[in-house]
Amino acid sequence: DAMVIQNPRYQVTQFGKPVTLSCSQTLNHNVMYWYQQKSSQAPKLLFHYYDKDFNNEADTPDNFQSRRPNTSFCFLDIRSPGLGDAAMYLCATSRVRAGEEYFGPGTRLTVL
Amino acid sequence: DAKTTQPPSMDCAEGRAANLPCNHSTISGNEYVYWYRQIHSQGPQYIIHGLKNNETNEMASLIITEDRKSSTLILPHATLRDTAVYYCIVRGDSGGGADGLTFGKGTHLIIQP
Repeated sequence: DAMVIQNPRYQVTQFGKPVTLSCSQTLNHNVMYWYQQKSSQAPKLLFHYYDKDFNNEADTPDNFQSRRPNTSFCFLDIRSPGLGDAAMYLCATSRVRAGEEYFGPGTRLTVL
Repeated sequence: DAKTTQPPSMDCAEGRAANLPCNHSTISGNEYVYWYRQIHSQGPQYIIHGLKNNETNEMASLIITEDRKSSTLILPHATLRDTAVYYCIVRGDSGGGADGLTFGKGTHLIIQP
């Protein structure tokens, strides 16, 4: 089945130690998104790629970066994780801009 | 994109229809109403969307009022697996809508056995 895959499902890192989360898709969608969801809150958009064009939300901290080496893969890099970055990170895709989004299961990040 | 207002929580008996309301009084003419849900510890799931007309798919029905200022998502025969947070989101189309979703607080729907 076509899907959005996130690895790992659970990630533990230390304060200040860089971490990378990955997302892959078999849907061949043009747009890929990263959302952050903190405990008991709604998901919040961090940034997205439309093909190779990167679009950062205005309030996304500089500590968060993203890479999309090809259509299928997208990475979220957190350069120096703080305790406040502990959250579920959700990857999503859509075929077109502002289209229906398909979400992966998320990666739960713990920062010690 | 226009803002939405939803009740924070609702209960529904298993097997009955669950009717989830959403107010979007500032919606503009080219904005769609989308519904997503998020089951605990999973990623959000697309349910349905519509512009003016009522819509139905295998998951749910969407009823939009004639003035488009409110809508109702209907799950016709709720099961325990429908317990989730349901998000109503208004956004433009690919010609002018924002990329990505702006989630509100949603409605926590609890299906009671």
